[in-house]
Amino acid sequence: AQSVTQPDIHITVSEGASLELRCNYSYGATPYLFWYVQSPGQGLQLLLKYFSGDTLVQGIKGFEAEFKRSQSSFNLRKPSVHWSDAAEYFCAVGPYSGGGADGLTFGKGTHLIIQP
Amino acid sequence: DAGVTQSPTHLIKTRGQHVTLRCSPISGHKSVSWYQQVLGQGPQFIFQYYEKEERGRGNFPDRFSARQFPNYSSELNVNALLLGDSALYLCASTLAGPENIQYFGAGTRLSVL
Repeated sequence: AQSVTQPDIHITVSEGASLELRCNYSYGATPYLFWYVQSPGQGLQLLLKYFSGDTLVQGIKGFEAEFKRSQSSFNLRKPSVHWSDAAEYFCAVGPYSGGGADGLTFGKGTHLIIQP
Repeated sequence: DAGVTQSPTHLIKTRGQHVTLRCSPISGHKSVSWYQQVLGQGPQFIFQYYEKEERGRGNFPDRFSARQFPNYSSELNVNALLLGDSALYLCASTLAGPENIQYFGAGTRLSVL
């Protein structure tokens, strides 16, 4: 069965500093990988996705992620965080084919705190 | 264009009652998925419907059921509510096809007392 591990429950970063959120996955086939962000009281917003091709993917709000098959990782990065980036971040893995009959499998999330 | 809309936004029920949550997908999207997000956890997959048929089911008891209507909107029903059913219920719509990108609504916050 597929699984996603986000080892950091909380991360505190100073505004303007760089950020890396870790994600490791276990999946028996070629995965689709996603990062979502959730602000308090909100649903999930898609930051970026990896399906195939270039292993460095760019997303919205200045985020990027790198897929490393050998490490089963898909870490999220941002060179300079803003106070508005404070939120809960979720990594997810999904089936390769469309339809998504198994749904997405999410990690438990990383809570990002931005220090002024 | 409107995103995924869910209603109601908040709901309070007592143990043993049943509840119906509603979801309208993004226009043109034919697939709807439901997730349960317990406080402090990531969302867990409950169901997926495509073209009005159930295409996938997560590890949830039979108290949970859903359906999709001809206009692709969907309902999630939960019977015999338990305290542990208190959660944020998220609906996601998908265009379907090779790329499984799910777009989420803001959710319905269900509290069971």
